[in-house]
Amino acid sequence: AQKITQTQPGMFVQEKEAVTLDCTYDTSDQSYGLFWYKQPSSGEMIFLIYQGSYDEQNATEGRYSLNFQKARKSANLVISASQLGDSAMYFCAMTPGDTGRRALTFGSGTRLQVQP
Amino acid sequence: DAGVIQSPRHEVTEMGQEVTLRCKPISGHDYLFWYRQTMMRGLELLIYFNNNVPIDDSGMPEDRFSAKMPNASFSTLKIQPSEPRDSAVYFCASSEYGVGETQYFGPGTRLLVL
Repeated sequence: AQKITQTQPGMFVQEKEAVTLDCTYDTSDQSYGLFWYKQPSSGEMIFLIYQGSYDEQNATEGRYSLNFQKARKSANLVISASQLGDSAMYFCAMTPGDTGRRALTFGSGTRLQVQP
Repeated sequence: DAGVIQSPRHEVTEMGQEVTLRCKPISGHDYLFWYRQTMMRGLELLIYFNNNVPIDDSGMPEDRFSAKMPNASFSTLKIQPSEPRDSAVYFCASSEYGVGETQYFGPGTRLLVL
């Protein structure tokens, strides 16, 4: 079984600063995918970034980067130059690769508040 | 391109009534997922389909819940009879087979059972 742990229920960051949201995972699969989603107060789930377990380079998408440390089983999200619009819930999730099962397993989320 | 479409966006019903949630996946996607989000349990899978065939329904709470996908562009999640504990946000998501297989979510249906 897979498990995602997000230990930070809430985070504060000043506008224009960088912030790291922590995510650790547990799986016995050799192949898996890691994802981050953003859920603003309006409720939709917005895909941010993906990292495959065999990808050697950390994924980046604009101001988002994923700090992937396979040996530590961590997949932290780094948001650079925070903006007020980044205030939201952030979910780390994973899919197994070995079993062929496609469903996402989610963490409990981190609520990020960007302060002006 | 249109994203995942869900209807209704909000539903308020009384205990014992039948509720039907609808989803139109992104065109060309061959996987469709139903998730439920509650404060107590977070985001959890209910069921997913591949090419209209149910693959994993282990998350469906009980016989009161059923899901169908009659064609590649439409799926329903039905609750009959509904109970107050079914109150939640129900998300539909779709993805395309391949590397990464990112799931794109619909806006969700916020269900309140009184």
